[in-house]
This record gives sequence, structure tokens and C-alpha cells, in this order.
Amino acid sequence: DQQVKQNSPSLSVQEGRISILNCDYTNSMFDYFLWYKKYPAEGPTFLISISSIKDKNEDGRFTVFLNKSAKHLSLHIVPSQPGDSAVYFCAASAPASGTYKYIFGTGTRLKVLA
Amino acid sequence: KAGVTQTPRYLIKTRGQQVTLSCSPISGHRSVSWYQQTPGQGLQFLFEYFSETQRNKGNFPGRFSGRQFSNSRSEMNVSTLELGDSALYLCASSPGQPTLYLDTGELFFGEGSRLTVL
Repeated sequence: DQQVKQNSPSLSVQEGRISILNCDYTNSMFDYFLWYKKYPAEGPTFLISISSIKDKNEDGRFTVFLNKSAKHLSLHIVPSQPGDSAVYFCAASAPASGTYKYIFGTGTRLKVLA
Repeated sequence: KAGVTQTPRYLIKTRGQQVTLSCSPISGHRSVSWYQQTPGQGLQFLFEYFSETQRNKGNFPGRFSGRQFSNSRSEMNVSTLELGDSALYLCASSPGQPTLYLDTGELFFGEGSRLTVL
């Protein structure tokens, strides 16, 4: 049972436009979410996080939106740059449990076209 | 500050053998987690160690085990290797106790150990 789903395996966007990556989760106990970016032959690198007490978090070109009622979060990248081409993973956790157990989605491969 | 270091980066084993992977966390970090990445499956949680104790465990068979030492370095072991164990094994470290409202739940990943089982 996939508790965190990224239903789009791939996404292509023109440079300068907005990239929107989506993530859905099923476990209502999740209350902390992260987005990671991964290049080939490298480990994932942290992008941005959001906790359930917020519905939006921004960091430069990256904004994450959380809709708790829909159990849905999205990552917006504006403007998209060719260097953003990578695989993006969303992850969810329940920090109240006191551990760092994260459930990851299967990833979305973003390709930004120059 | 040095990042998370994993060794070896690449290794090839045959079915039935066993393998040990090593992870040195960021200095000062006390939590180490292990994840398996395979094509189409994303990152799947193996286990997490904190202060030498396994704090959480994923849904993997008993062939997968781990431990953490007093200096927070961690090892994971896979015994009786199967073809399906071929994957990228990622280690991640974190400071300690995640707290919801302080957003301190970030994981810092190493580059991974790529295991191929023939």
C-alpha cells in the first residue's frame, strides 16, 4: 500500500515557466512533509519542508502548498531553470512519533527544456 | 562541515553472499536512517538508529540488519543476497529528535552505495 503517491512519473516544462509537482498521501497521521531533489549518481538533497500547521512555505523559487483536507501537497518552481532537471521526491512523516521514519513517493522526473 | 559519507560506493556480489555497508553521519548528528532505492519503488525505509538503539524499522525481511556505534557511525548488513537486493542503499543522518513546530526534521543523505547482485 503506497501511502505517498506521486502519480506523474515525468514532467517536461519550458525554461522560465512554472513547474508544478504533485504528491498525495493517504495517512492522516502524517503532519510533516519534505521535498527532495536527486541528480543521477548523487544522494537526494533537501529542498523545502512544510508542517501541518502551515498551508504554504516559500524558499526562493520554491513554494510548497499543503491541502490537509485533500491530503495533497504540491511543489511549485518559478521560474524553472535547466539546472532544475532532476528527480523530485516528496516524503511524509509523523514527527510526533519522535523518529525520523519517512515514507517517500516514487518520484517525478522533471525535465526543463532550454 | 563534512557531509554524510558512505562506503563503498559501488560493489558487486553474487547470490547467497553477504554484504556490509558503512555510513558516517555528519558530526554531531545522532540519528542515522537507511533507505533502499530501486527503479519504480522510490526510497523505502529500512531502519533508523538513535544513540545505538534501533528506533524504527521498515518492512524488510530479517536478512537486513543494522547497528550503530557509540560514535554514531552505522553499518547495515544484508545476508544471503538475492537478485532483488540490487539497489542503491542510502544513508541519512539527522540531529536527533524531530520536532513538528521547529521544522527540524530534515534528513541529510549520503551519495549511496550501489549494490549489484549477480
